Amino acid sequence: TQLLEQSPQFLSIQEGENLTVYCNSSSVFSSLQWYRQEPGEGPVLLVTVVTGGEVKKLKRLTFQFGDARKDSSLHITAAQPGDTGLYLCAGSTGTASKLTFGTGTRLQVTL
Amino acid sequence: DADVTQTPRNRITKTGKRIMLECSQTKGHDRMYWYRQDPGLGLRLIYYSFDVKDINKGEISDGYSVSRQAQAKFSLSLESAIPNQTALYFCATSDSASTDTQYFGPGTRLTVL
Repeated sequence: TQLLEQSPQFLSIQEGENLTVYCNSSSVFSSLQWYRQEPGEGPVLLVTVVTGGEVKKLKRLTFQFGDARKDSSLHITAAQPGDTGLYLCAGSTGTASKLTFGTGTRLQVTL
Repeated sequence: DADVTQTPRNRITKTGKRIMLECSQTKGHDRMYWYRQDPGLGLRLIYYSFDVKDINKGEISDGYSVSRQAQAKFSLSLESAIPNQTALYFCATSDSASTDTQYFGPGTRLTVL
């Protein structure tokens, strides 16, 4: 069974601070996705990374895929209250459209 | 209107009851999925379907069954609900032309007493 461990599990920070969320596995993935989930809603895709070492930026969010395609990180610069939510990473082996989801990081950004 | 809808949004039931959760999509996607979400465990795949005639078990299918009534509809049944099936259930869809991106419904919160 492929496992994706996320850390930290919970993170409470003040507006303007920077943070990094990690997603680690012993398995190799063909691609890795990051989702954000808000209360009462389903996860929404933020980004997909497919190449080892790839870095993608989405405004204040920076996503990196590890060189060996076993891990990924999400860095948020100058966090805002609107960034509050549950962040999930999900890995795909490229077969059968099946995603393995990480354990989640719950982020709270306060004023 | 939402592309992926789930009914009901909330349900409280008793141990031993049969429960059906329904999912409909207007995205025209061929692939559909059912997940459950528990705190600290992320989302775990229950069943998935690549087309109307293709149903596959996920990692936690015991105690659940599914039916793909049409390309746009995928329902999940709990034959005899038990308390440890209390969870948040999500339906998702994807397009075989873009296999890794999944689109999720708003979820059903199920409580089994």
